[in-house]
Amino acid sequence: DAGVIQSPRHEVTEMGQEVTLRCKPISGHDYLFWYRQTMMRGLELLIYFNNNVPIDDSGMPEDRFSAKMPNASFSTLKIQPSEPRDSAVYFCASSPESGTGPPREQFFGPGTRLTVL
Amino acid sequence: GENVEQHPSTLSVQEGDSAVIKCTYSDSASNYFPWYKQELGKRPQLIIDIRSNVGEKKDQRIAVTLNKTAKHFSLHITETQPEDSAVYFCAASIRGSYIPTFGRGTSLIVHP
Repeated sequence: DAGVIQSPRHEVTEMGQEVTLRCKPISGHDYLFWYRQTMMRGLELLIYFNNNVPIDDSGMPEDRFSAKMPNASFSTLKIQPSEPRDSAVYFCASSPESGTGPPREQFFGPGTRLTVL
Repeated sequence: GENVEQHPSTLSVQEGDSAVIKCTYSDSASNYFPWYKQELGKRPQLIIDIRSNVGEKKDQRIAVTLNKTAKHFSLHITETQPEDSAVYFCAASIRGSYIPTFGRGTSLIVHP
């Protein structure tokens, strides 16, 4: 397996533009997570899905952020309109189901470095 | 919700020395404690984890200890090498939850 795949790896855009980040989780993983990483705030969980259903989006900073998972192999994180303070590295991660046991390891993608000018 | 505090934020050691990173958590229902390593410009990757039914786990030069009573856990790296230089994140997950709460990270610098 190629691991978690994210695209694009780098994105530079201007304030006000729409940004769409993409993620392909590891096949067979039931959980998908979107994180944002900045120096100031560290690693923040934005939203996570279980079996394509959003479970907790309390970390989504504003209505400008939205995420979808139309099927088990694809998810998007959209920012519209983008602002300079959205500049960060966005990671997607996936994790397998663990039944009644404790959570399993999260496998992170390579991240998307977003710069909003 | 869970709150994880991690110290120190930066740790500088000489090659061959030991390094210790400490984390505390707030929710006694947490039962899974992973540690991730993130090299510069790379993704976080799991290096070791511990579950609440054990007090210590070791894997070659790294070890993690857990004190459930005090609600703290630590990462120990012995005989540090320059390639150990990275940001290390601790995390805690509450029983039944798939959401890990991450610490702010520790930047470990190993000087050759």
